[in-house]
Amino acid sequence: ILNVEQSPQSLHVQEGDSTNFTCSFPSSNFYALHWYRWETAKSPEALFVMTLNGDEKKKGRISATLNTKEGYSYLYIKGSQPEDSATYLCASDTGGFKTIFGAGTRLFVKA
Amino acid sequence: IAGITQAPTSQILAAGRRMTLRCTQDMRHNAMYWYRQDLGLGLRLIHYSNTAGTTGKGEVPDGYSVSRANTDDFPLTLASAVPSQTSVYFCASSGADNNEQFFGPGTRLTVL
Repeated sequence: ILNVEQSPQSLHVQEGDSTNFTCSFPSSNFYALHWYRWETAKSPEALFVMTLNGDEKKKGRISATLNTKEGYSYLYIKGSQPEDSATYLCASDTGGFKTIFGAGTRLFVKA
Repeated sequence: IAGITQAPTSQILAAGRRMTLRCTQDMRHNAMYWYRQDLGLGLRLIHYSNTAGTTGKGEVPDGYSVSRANTDDFPLTLASAVPSQTSVYFCASSGADNNEQFFGPGTRLTVL
């Protein structure tokens, strides 16, 4: 069983601050790395799927990078807004349809 | 149906009872998954199915069974519920192995 770690566990920022979180995963047998955004009382929604070392993905103010050799991914949010408040999950695939999720980073953005 | 649905939304169940959680998707996705979400532990994979007729065990399969008779439906059964199975259960589907997963709204299950 993989061990996917996310840090920090929670984060409080002011509106307009830029922030980033970390996801670490075992680099052996890597297949894909997923980021999801999970708002309270809703279901997780996919942000990014990354498969290649050095991948960078961007969606609006949110971007992510991937380092498969050292086993980490960063998620960045530029100019945080209150609507960015959510839990951000990363998940590692080794193929075979088994996805292992981290416990998430809970982001609170204060107006 | 649009996307992926789960039923019931919530359920309170006596220990020892049998319970089936339903999951249906209309996206013709081959792969489907069942997760449980517990505080501080994130989402843990219970069972998965990569295509109709086949299933596999995830990280925490004990006490649960699944079937995949067709592409759309992926029910999860608790044969004899125990209080440790109190959790929120999410069903998900994906179109391919490394594609994004689409999640249902969840079922909140309480076993007393």
